[in-house]
Amino acid sequence: QSALTQPPSVSGAPGQRVAISCTGGSTNIGAGYDVHWYQQLPKSAPRLLIHGNHIRPSGVPDRFSGSKSGTSVSLAITGLQAEDEADYYCQSYDSSLSAYIFGTGTRVTVL
Amino acid sequence: EVQLLESGGDLVQPGGSLSLSCAASGFTFNNYVMSWVRQAPGKGLEWVSTISGSGAVTSYPGSLKGRFTISRDNSRNTLHLQMSSLRADDTAIYFCARFTDKFSFDSWGQGTLVTVSS
Repeated sequence: QSALTQPPSVSGAPGQRVAISCTGGSTNIGAGYDVHWYQQLPKSAPRLLIHGNHIRPSGVPDRFSGSKSGTSVSLAITGLQAEDEADYYCQSYDSSLSAYIFGTGTRVTVL
Repeated sequence: EVQLLESGGDLVQPGGSLSLSCAASGFTFNNYVMSWVRQAPGKGLEWVSTISGSGAVTSYPGSLKGRFTISRDNSRNTLHLQMSSLRADDTAIYFCARFTDKFSFDSWGQGTLVTVSS
């Protein structure tokens, strides 16, 4: 399965804002399929963080926000906290592969 | 509260078979599409399979078709994954996940480890 492309790592000091990009193509994000984001804390299962490009499930702090423009989407974390240190994955559907695909993953480090 | 509890992970030899299960609770199981997602050690997430609420419709990525079979027992609120002809690159934590109509995975189990090695 081809994956969506994310930067391997981003970092920021507590209180800062960081953003994670997720780039796809014309058969997935560019075709209009929704993008979802997951947070995976160390040694834990993934957790749905954002669905439908920008919607936060109940219980997810509003420090997390999602946006979409064309074939690129991004996840922003404002007011970075130590507990946000985790791996983050985007996910969508690809019509040419007929498969649900994930991003390559981004590790967020709080300095 | 939605709970998903996987079981069945084990050490298996290359070419062997293994069956995984996922016990679901806290929601009306047969109303939901369910999936398996795996994660190889130190790697990213990979979709493995999805099954409709009735069990009538299944889907797999092309790379896994023919070796893996997803099924469900709605009377027991249980999801299954039968894996055959296992290879070293099937080594991973296998997560059971609830699938939404927006094509997202909204609840996850803690995973069960499958190790394929001689």
